[in-house]
Amino acid sequence: RKEVEQDPGPFNVPEGATVAFNCTYSNSASQSFFWYRQDCRKEPKLLMSVYSSGNEDGRFTAQLNRASQYISLLIRDSKLSDSATYLCVGYSGAGSYQLTFGKGTKLSVIP
Amino acid sequence: DAGITQSPRHKVTETGTPVTLRCHQTENHRYMYWYRQDPGHGLRLIHYSYGVKDTDKGEVSDGYSVSRSKTEDFLLTLESATSSQTSVYFCAASKSDTEAFFGQGTRLTVV
Repeated sequence: RKEVEQDPGPFNVPEGATVAFNCTYSNSASQSFFWYRQDCRKEPKLLMSVYSSGNEDGRFTAQLNRASQYISLLIRDSKLSDSATYLCVGYSGAGSYQLTFGKGTKLSVIP
Repeated sequence: DAGITQSPRHKVTETGTPVTLRCHQTENHRYMYWYRQDPGHGLRLIHYSYGVKDTDKGEVSDGYSVSRSKTEDFLLTLESATSSQTSVYFCAASKSDTEAFFGQGTRLTVV
């Protein structure tokens, strides 16, 4: 079983919609989590860090639920420019800093 | 600019030849990672390094070796390239369990 799992999608949503992605992780020792965005044929770039207390940045909200071992990303008022693949990422194991990615969820925002 | 550069950016090589990809960083990151990205698999960790001369295997390390003789350089070597190693290779670097920064990728084709 892969350590970080996420729904590959694709998610096709109209402009202005709210969309949510979830990601589960299997290693309870994992400490730090992030959401990255990857555009076609480009390198992944950090979208936001994920904290237990929740993290909001404009239209984006990330949440970590340690009890259920899942991470979520909520995008409100979707824009065409949000179309990309969203990657859930975690550091596996205390102190090992092995960075593990989910397979990514593809989002297409439609006019 | 995250200070991560990969070279070459594109390479075509023949089956059975050795290939070395280079990742160079200028931000004194302790941790460095090599990933390959293939359709349907997402980013898979090949090898990573947690310091000079300290490396460890990832989930898809067979057929690959790495070396890190200096903090700023992390080399990935395919000892004898095979067609199954045709992929996009990404290098990443981080301080610890914090944001990882990526290079722009190397597109390798083995014919």
